[in-house]
Amino acid sequence: AQSVTQLGSHVSVSEGALVLLRCNYSSSVPPYLFWYVQYPNQGLQLLLKYTSAATLVKGINGFEAEFKKSETSFHLTKPSAHMSDAAEYFCAVSSITGNQFYFGTGTSLTVIP
Amino acid sequence: EAGVAQSPRYKIIEKRQSVAFWCNPISGHATLYWYQQILGQGPKLLIQFQNNGVVDDSQLPKDRFSAERLKGVDSTLKIQPAKLEDSAVYLCASTWTGADTQYFGPGTRLTVL
Repeated sequence: AQSVTQLGSHVSVSEGALVLLRCNYSSSVPPYLFWYVQYPNQGLQLLLKYTSAATLVKGINGFEAEFKKSETSFHLTKPSAHMSDAAEYFCAVSSITGNQFYFGTGTSLTVIP
Repeated sequence: EAGVAQSPRYKIIEKRQSVAFWCNPISGHATLYWYQQILGQGPKLLIQFQNNGVVDDSQLPKDRFSAERLKGVDSTLKIQPAKLEDSAVYLCASTWTGADTQYFGPGTRLTVL
């Protein structure tokens, strides 16, 4: 069985500050891990993914995430927040077959000017 | 490359009525998913198709929900009869066989009054 837990349903940061969105996973098999972003009234867009290659994964829009097996974590970071980063962020896990795809409950990011 | 298309974008119905949603995946994508995203929650997988066959429908409420993908391309999701708790955004996603990244459509927002 697989699942993800996103700590903090709402995160607020000042423009230019570090963004840190937390995700912990539970998986009985080596997982594939994903971060998706959802802007208002739009579908989900892939930010980045971990598929058992490099543990530090770089994505679009300056985001990156590090897979830490010992901590079962896959936290999303961005050094400097921009107003356009305000959105809902979802962590997701799947098996290597791509089946059994599970999303977390999401974290709403607010960027304060 | 055209993305995943969904229609309608918005639908308002009264409880006990029927409703259908349509999805056209990205050309060449054999795998198609339907998700239900209730406000404030992450997307929940309802059904996964591989071509015109069902791979996983374990979380589909089969007493009222049905889905088909007769020719292995377009798909429809139907709710009959709708309940208040069916109010949600219904997302369609597609990908290539065995691929790990899903591509999402903009979703259909259903309101049941």
